[in-house]
Amino acid sequence: QQQVKQSPQSLIVQKGGISIINCAYENTAFDYFPWYQQFPGKGPALLIAIRPDVSEKKEGRFTISFNKSAKQFSLHIMDSQPGDSATYFCAASIHDYKLSFGAGTTVTVRA
Amino acid sequence: DAGVIQSPRHEVTEMGQEVTLRCKPISGHDYLFWYRQTMMRGLELLIYFNNNVPIDDSGMPEDRFSAKMPNASFSTLKIQPSEPRDSAVYFCASRTGFNSGNTIYFGEGSWLTVV
Repeated sequence: QQQVKQSPQSLIVQKGGISIINCAYENTAFDYFPWYQQFPGKGPALLIAIRPDVSEKKEGRFTISFNKSAKQFSLHIMDSQPGDSATYFCAASIHDYKLSFGAGTTVTVRA
Repeated sequence: DAGVIQSPRHEVTEMGQEVTLRCKPISGHDYLFWYRQTMMRGLELLIYFNNNVPIDDSGMPEDRFSAKMPNASFSTLKIQPSEPRDSAVYFCASRTGFNSGNTIYFGEGSWLTVV
């Protein structure tokens, strides 16, 4: 069974809008929560990551919000651009390496 | 660095044939991972190596799958005999040793179709 549940499966947002993707996990031993971005025909690439000792991390237009008590984390893409159209995967692991991925969210940004 | 290099990028084979996928990790990386991606099951970890030694192969679906890492710069994933349900994208990934925040880098994948 998937250890990380991701939603929604897909979303469409207008250029300049905010994209929000949510993930939930059960295993409290997870201590590393990365987000990967994947373009068609390419491998996943690390976008941003967070550890449970912080509640938010921002890198440019991308922000991770982390709620340890709820065992949930989310990715916010601010000022969404057509170039952000991709599939986004949340993931979780213990000690960085054995990643368990969510099912993925396909984001389409309309110009 | 050229990144993680996988070959072949695309392979179409007939059911029952042997398939060998190849991977060259990023130089200096001592962890190597094989993932499989399908629409139904998403990204699944099949096996990973540390310093060329298999550490966890619990994700290998069945005995038809095997993986080797004869040296630090080369790994193979073999399927014998192949079946249509093995059709998927197989990703190789690598990272440096066990330190906080080390990124796992993925190759571009090997697209396998078994007919």
